[in-house]
Amino acid sequence: AQTVTQSQPEMSVQEAETVTLSCTYDTSESDYYLFWYKQPPSRQMILVIRQEAYKQQNATENRFSVNFQKAAKSFSLKISDSQLGDAAMYFCAYRSAIRVGNEKLTFGTGTRLTIIP
Amino acid sequence: GAVVSQHPSWVICKSGTSVKIECRSLDFQATTMFWYRQFPKQSLMLMATSNEGSKATYEQGVEKDKFLINHASLTLSTLTVTSAHPEDSSFYICSVDRGIAYEQYFGPGTRLTVT
Repeated sequence: AQTVTQSQPEMSVQEAETVTLSCTYDTSESDYYLFWYKQPPSRQMILVIRQEAYKQQNATENRFSVNFQKAAKSFSLKISDSQLGDAAMYFCAYRSAIRVGNEKLTFGTGTRLTIIP
Repeated sequence: GAVVSQHPSWVICKSGTSVKIECRSLDFQATTMFWYRQFPKQSLMLMATSNEGSKATYEQGVEKDKFLINHASLTLSTLTVTSAHPEDSSFYICSVDRGIAYEQYFGPGTRLTVT
């Protein structure tokens, strides 16, 4: 079974600064997808960014980028120019690329990000 | 992305009664939906996978007779909490699966309080 570990329960960053959230995972599979989801106080889960394991290039979405290290099974999220609206719980998630019965997401325990004005 | 709604957004019920939560995929026909449970300050815990036209697949430790799931159409899945007890109070979230190469799209959640 796959596991996802987020070792930072809480993080804080000054507004406009950069912060990196860590995520490691354990799997024996070679093909999979990785995601970062954001859950603000409204509790609506919002996709931040996704990474396909077969792609070597790190995914980027505006101020959000990842550092995907497949051999190390590491998938960190970097938020640049932090904004007050970035304050939320951030969950790292894993999904197997093998169809039929493996479509579910495995979530990490989350990192609560606080933005300091 | 896919737009997912849940109804109700919050509900209070008395112990021993049953509560039904609806999850609708508004712009996509979903053969698979997922139901999660989230306790305060914790991660999402998958309860079951809901497949249109077939029985749901429950995760280990989830009582299938207590949490009844019905996926009667490609746009609607329902979760019924039967004989609810205070320990069933939680935040329930559904998601829609667009396929293996895509992310899941989540509903806004339903807060259930059992008194």
